[in-house]
Amino acid sequence: GEDVEQSLFLSVREGDSSVINCTYTDSSSTYLYWYKQEPGAGLQLLTYIFSNMDMKQDQRLTVLLNKKDKHLSLRIADTQTGDSAIYFCAESMNTGFQKLVFGTGTRLLVSP
Amino acid sequence: DTAVSQTPKYLVTQMGNDKSIKCEQNLGHDTMYWYKQDSKKFLKIMFSYNNKELIINETVPNRFSPKSPDKAHLNLHINSLELGDSAVYFCASSQDLAQETQYFGPGTRLLVL
Repeated sequence: GEDVEQSLFLSVREGDSSVINCTYTDSSSTYLYWYKQEPGAGLQLLTYIFSNMDMKQDQRLTVLLNKKDKHLSLRIADTQTGDSAIYFCAESMNTGFQKLVFGTGTRLLVSP
Repeated sequence: DTAVSQTPKYLVTQMGNDKSIKCEQNLGHDTMYWYKQDSKKFLKIMFSYNNKELIINETVPNRFSPKSPDKAHLNLHINSLELGDSAVYFCASSQDLAQETQYFGPGTRLLVL
């Protein structure tokens, strides 16, 4: 199937770390992505990881990939109120051509 | 200097009408996409075009007809609008079919009354 699952909601305090989890289905996915959607806005590409990596760090963002369990996570260090948004993971599926399948989205709320 | 732009941003219309949403990208990309995001924020691909040719059509009703006059534009025409068409429609583009990083437009919020 094409189900990419995420927990629906995460609430943290400003300054804490946030960890958003995602499980995907296609073990042959080449890239896995994290997108951010602020209220009323489009999707902003945050970061991505190639499937032969198990970790990627980009400033406050750390992506961990466990290919065996098909589990992807996004850690945001020192979470700020401006990080409040919906976060989508996405896997690329090779069906003869590349296609992105998005997760259900995790709504992150950061309180002061 | 917007990379992927869509018009209109908001669209409110009556059931049964026909409407179009336009998308343009100035990134020089070959591949463009349309996605639908429903009220639960679930995001699903509808179409993709590569160099003006249809590549993906994800079992979308044939009331939806994409048109690509050139590779920088992918418009979405919807006939006989239904209540269930109410959603946010996102356009996106990527360098080509092999480049999976996609850049999204700001979305068009369609409300069918």
